[in-house]
Amino acid sequence: EAQLVESGGSLVQPGGSLRLSCIASEFPFKDFEMNWVRQPPGKGMEWISYIDSSSATIYYADSVKGRFTVSRDNARNSLYLQMNNLRAEDTAIYYCTKSHASTWGQGTLVTVSS
Amino acid sequence: DIQMTQSPSSLSASVGDRVTITCRASQGISTWLGWYQQKPEKAPKSLIYGASNLQSGVPSRFSGSGSGTDFTLTISSLQPEDSATYFCQQYDDFPYTFGQGTKLEIK
Repeated sequence: EAQLVESGGSLVQPGGSLRLSCIASEFPFKDFEMNWVRQPPGKGMEWISYIDSSSATIYYADSVKGRFTVSRDNARNSLYLQMNNLRAEDTAIYYCTKSHASTWGQGTLVTVSS
Repeated sequence: DIQMTQSPSSLSASVGDRVTITCRASQGISTWLGWYQQKPEKAPKSLIYGASNLQSGVPSRFSGSGSGTDFTLTISSLQPEDSATYFCQQYDDFPYTFGQGTKLEIK
């Protein structure tokens, strides 16, 4: 069964940076597109980024464009999200998902607060 | 952006009831739609992909239907463990968008 494990979430001050990681296992990571999705506390889901299997095609939500960068290392079965210039409204649980959200990680909490 | 309107926002039903949740897209998305279940403090779980295909391991009481703009998730015989929030997602076009969720409670 495909598994995804996120890490890297923490408390950070406004304007700060964080790098999230997502380690994939039990499926051929290099063959699958991946996404990042977030869920603010008590709220619904927001898709924030897509990357195809070869990193050739990348998309971002307008809310994070210019501040967040998605990348992957297929040799390490890893997906990343570099988050810069963080704002209070970026506070959320961040999930990585496989393909069309067929598999979700357990999530990692990012809190942006002074 | 494609807007996904989900209804109802909440419902309460009894064990054994048939429950239907709907999701309407603001434009046609063919069958590029998934349904997900999220229990409190847990990560979401995929139930349905491609509007009507059951994910492996998901009980057969769950089913999905629809294409174009109107979609439904049906639970044929509600079980106590089905208490959760359910939401849809379109992946026809970027930005991918989600319905606001339906909180299902067991009476």
